[in-house]
Amino acid sequence: AQKVTQAQTEISVVEKEDVTLDCVYETRDTTYYLFWYKQPPSGELVFLIRRNSFDEQNEISGRYSWNFQKSTSSFNFTITASQVVDSAVYFCALRSYSGAGSYQLTFGKGTKLSVIP
Amino acid sequence: NAGVTQTPKFRVLKTGQSMTLLCAQDMNHEYMYWYRQDPGMGLRLIHYSVGEGTTAKGEVPDGYNVSRLKKQNFLLGLESAAPSQTSVYFCASSYDTTPGATEAFFGQGTRLTVV
Repeated sequence: AQKVTQAQTEISVVEKEDVTLDCVYETRDTTYYLFWYKQPPSGELVFLIRRNSFDEQNEISGRYSWNFQKSTSSFNFTITASQVVDSAVYFCALRSYSGAGSYQLTFGKGTKLSVIP
Repeated sequence: NAGVTQTPKFRVLKTGQSMTLLCAQDMNHEYMYWYRQDPGMGLRLIHYSVGEGTTAKGEVPDGYNVSRLKKQNFLLGLESAAPSQTSVYFCASSYDTTPGATEAFFGQGTRLTVV
């Protein structure tokens, strides 16, 4: 069975601070995908990044960066110089084999980030 | 591009009533999913489908049924609604075949209240 743990339920930071959101996953699959999604107060789910299990290169996109470490089964997300618009719930997700020839997409419980002006 | 469309966006049901939520995608994706989102619980998978005519149970399937008669549509049914099914429901679809997989594309959500 697969599992995604986001231990931080809520985080508050002051604008311009850096913040890291943690994600730890469990899977027996050797080929899997990891994702981050953002859910702003408006409620829609916004895709941020996809990473497959064979690509451990860290990625940077503007103020966002992701640190994927297979050795610790972690896929952490850092926002540099946070802004009020970053306030949202962030979800980490894992796509891996669930048996019977199919794959499941499993989400963590989310981390609510509040950026205070 | 419509992407993933959910109908309706809001609904209030009385306990014991039935209803069907419709999800339609126009991206020719094989995989479709139904999730429910509750405070502090994240998104929990109810049922999913790996292709037309197939469905499978997710983490919280009890009280729900699904059907995938056409590739582009995935229906979620509540036969006898209960207050515990008050939630926000999200439908998603993805291109999901070995070795490749895209991200899941989500609908706007359906806010269901059972009184």
